[in-house]
Amino acid sequence: GAVVSQHPSWVICKSGTSVKIECRSLDFQATTMFWYRQFPKQSLMLMATSNEGSKATYEQGVEKDKFLINHASLTLSTLTVTSAHPEDSSFYICSARLAGGPGLHEQFFGPGTRLTVL
Amino acid sequence: AQRVTQPEKLLSVFKGAPVELKCNYSYSGSPELFWYVQYSRQRLQLLLRHISRESIKGFTADLNKGETSFHLKKPFAQEEDSAMYYCALKGQGAQKLVFGQGTRLTINP
Repeated sequence: GAVVSQHPSWVICKSGTSVKIECRSLDFQATTMFWYRQFPKQSLMLMATSNEGSKATYEQGVEKDKFLINHASLTLSTLTVTSAHPEDSSFYICSARLAGGPGLHEQFFGPGTRLTVL
Repeated sequence: AQRVTQPEKLLSVFKGAPVELKCNYSYSGSPELFWYVQYSRQRLQLLLRHISRESIKGFTADLNKGETSFHLKKPFAQEEDSAMYYCALKGQGAQKLVFGQGTRLTINP
């Protein structure tokens, strides 16, 4: 099946620094990738939809200057949390959607990245 | 507005008993409905989708447009079914999924 990886799996950083999280589709091309945030014991909240070669579409209430998304290729999207603060600590999950094929509407999820900001 | 409601945060049943995880949605058009599952320490994965009308791991879900529901059912629960289950909706022509709050299912031996 289609595999999505995330790197790093966990990261601890100091307040004020920036952190980059990578999301890769390993064995398929993904025209669309999605970034979610999940708080403990809560559901996934969509942050933004990322289409290859174009600007990301952010959900209401998500600061695009704080959460920079780059989808430079069909297999890689990055999320950069700029000037991170403790309230940005969370579990960040990406997903990728197949570019065509029988699983057209299926999203494949990465394992998530745990961010802790001290 | 699109909304998915899973009224039960926690559900506990005994092995071999029937299980039903409830999901109600709010959407004005014709949605696509999905059930995703997350086993302990694993990533979220698709369990089934309503358009496929399939049974996966003994689970089925029927879209009831009149009641705006997409409940997940299994006649005989197994211990390995213990997991977090999320109901999700995709609107017509939309790319994104809207998730419910999730239900943690525990199957007792």
